[in-house]
Amino acid sequence: GDSVTQMEGPVTLSEEAFLTINCTYTATGYPSLFWYVQYPGEGLQLLLKATKADDKGSNKGFEATYRKETTSFHLEKGSVQVSDSAVYFCALRGQAGTALIFGKGTTLSVSS
Amino acid sequence: EAGVTQSPTHLIKTRGQQATLRCSPISGHTSVYWYQQALGLGLQFLLWYDEGEERNRGNFPPRFSGRQFPNYSSELNVNALELEDSALYLCASSVLKTTNEKLFFGSGTQLSVL
Repeated sequence: GDSVTQMEGPVTLSEEAFLTINCTYTATGYPSLFWYVQYPGEGLQLLLKATKADDKGSNKGFEATYRKETTSFHLEKGSVQVSDSAVYFCALRGQAGTALIFGKGTTLSVSS
Repeated sequence: EAGVTQSPTHLIKTRGQQATLRCSPISGHTSVYWYQQALGLGLQFLLWYDEGEERNRGNFPPRFSGRQFPNYSSELNVNALELEDSALYLCASSVLKTTNEKLFFGSGTQLSVL
């Protein structure tokens, strides 16, 4: 079945450092790919998405490119801030009629 | 506009009891999803309801069940509670259109089984 694998955390960075959180997927067909974020004390919210190969999703300085050849959707940000500290979830949705499948989440902690 | 609301916020039960969790979707949303967020396991898909019918089910035993009411609110029932059912249960809603629609999540119900 469909699955998502993302790098284990926690990831600890200093402010203004470069961030990469790796995400790879297994799916039949052409899934839509997502990154959701869970800030402390808040519900999950969509960060960005990409719906076809080579699409780049971007939001709040974060970006991720849908790479079909490597079945990856890595999240990147050039300069992280303390306010980016959160848990990040990679997710995919395969064929119509299937639910959104999440990875285990990666905790990011940014210090000033 | 009100977001997805879940109740109760916290629920404490003992092993063997039943738990009922409730979710109200955003107005106009017909799909409701339930996820379990247990420590170290990420979000695991439980159930998906749309227009009152169960559309898909995750890899959970039958003691996890639910329903969706005519007003699209939903209820998750967990029977014969086990210690490992302790987790944050998240509800999400969406307007079912395509595979890339956005899900809106509630803040969850923290279930503790003692």
